Amino acid sequence: GQQLNQSPQSMFIQEGEDVSMNCTSSSIFNTWLWYKQDPGEGPVLLIALYKAGELTSNGRLTAQFGITRKDSFLNISASIPSDVGIYFCAGQPNAGNNRKLIWGLGTSLAVNP
Amino acid sequence: DSGVTQTPKHLITATGQRVTLRCSPRSGDLSVYWYQQSLDQGLQFLIQYYNGEERAKGNILERFSAQQFPDLHSELNLSSLELGDSALYFCASSVEARLEETQYFGPGTRLLVL
Repeated sequence: GQQLNQSPQSMFIQEGEDVSMNCTSSSIFNTWLWYKQDPGEGPVLLIALYKAGELTSNGRLTAQFGITRKDSFLNISASIPSDVGIYFCAGQPNAGNNRKLIWGLGTSLAVNP
Repeated sequence: DSGVTQTPKHLITATGQRVTLRCSPRSGDLSVYWYQQSLDQGLQFLIQYYNGEERAKGNILERFSAQQFPDLHSELNLSSLELGDSALYFCASSVEARLEETQYFGPGTRLLVL
């Protein structure tokens, strides 16, 4: 089925560093969502984006809905050990079967204290 | 704690068997979603129910079925199990059926098929 291209697949960084990850699609999306999954738990919504160009922050996290509506990025500033986990992007396609979210495969983040 | 409960937490069974996973959504949520998460496939959407009726279908195999009951809890039935069905199965719920709404995920059921 349709899938988002999420990159990088994994990251290993030092505490205090900034992190950037992104999702791209070949088709237009109406909504972009970013979720985080802590080890052993279910994903939790971090940020939701609803229109092209929108830039939204949640603490040290910032996400943007790309102008082309085909991509989104998530930045984490000054990373800390509790940022460890898997970050998923998800989006609602503009056309076709847009009654379901399409999910990326995740970016696994490891933070070295 | 998201307010979504899933049972059982762990399940070990043999190939060819049938299992039922149960989910209770957050109080007041009408939508229930089922996901499968495996190492190589990431988070795969299976199916969504809204107020008792199927609303959207994802990559759900014909051997799998689900339903949502009048009290809004949901069950995912997996039959003729294969080794490749071993995965984490998550249930999520939301208030309505709009995809931009926050989905609250349960802790998951870890299924191991031997």
